[in-house]
Amino acid sequence: DVVLTQTPSILSATIGQSVSISCRSSQSLLDSDGNTYLYWFLQRPGQSPQRLIYLVSNLGSGVPNRFSGSGSGTDFTLKISGVEAEDLGVYYCMQATHAPYTFGAGTKLELK
Amino acid sequence: QVQLKESGPGLVQPSQTLSLTCTVSGFSLSSYGVIWVRQPPGKGLEWMGVIWGNGNTNYNSALKSRLSISRDTSKSQVYLKMNSLQTEDTATYYCARDPGAYWGQGTLVTVSS
Repeated sequence: DVVLTQTPSILSATIGQSVSISCRSSQSLLDSDGNTYLYWFLQRPGQSPQRLIYLVSNLGSGVPNRFSGSGSGTDFTLKISGVEAEDLGVYYCMQATHAPYTFGAGTKLELK
Repeated sequence: QVQLKESGPGLVQPSQTLSLTCTVSGFSLSSYGVIWVRQPPGKGLEWMGVIWGNGNTNYNSALKSRLSISRDTSKSQVYLKMNSLQTEDTATYYCARDPGAYWGQGTLVTVSS
């Protein structure tokens, strides 16, 4: 199964600071159809996960444009350009290129 | 609009079988897959399995011997069954439209005697 390694596990930030989260895969996530099925989710405390980014870099519906995704192959990054209070929670990457799908272990974003 | 809602028992005894239902609206199960994801208290998300629009399934390698996912397209329902439950299976169980654009609210299942 594909292993996704997220770093850091905890991220402390001030409001307005820009931060990045890394997601590295144990194998390439480029599918034979040319797509890379890498997603980013945010889970706020007490809530269901919310999809932020799909197919590496596409912003989900209603997601603020301070969120951006990038990467290819095995290395991917989620960037938040100017953290806001509502961004606090746990971020997960997920791959759906190779079944079974897998999640990263999560990155907790907290206020410094 | 797209909605998913999980239902099932909140408490299951050890060694028993868990049965959960995900009732969907706003889309067809013949066109979209549904994934099941669980989250033990205070821990991360664990992908459990998927039933795709064509009816095929795939399961988490660690759970596949105990897990079954099926559906009834006429009822817009997806079913999860997992046997031989243990205390470590205590978790909030979510269903979501593949690959995660829409999620249910989750249902907490406690395994305890």
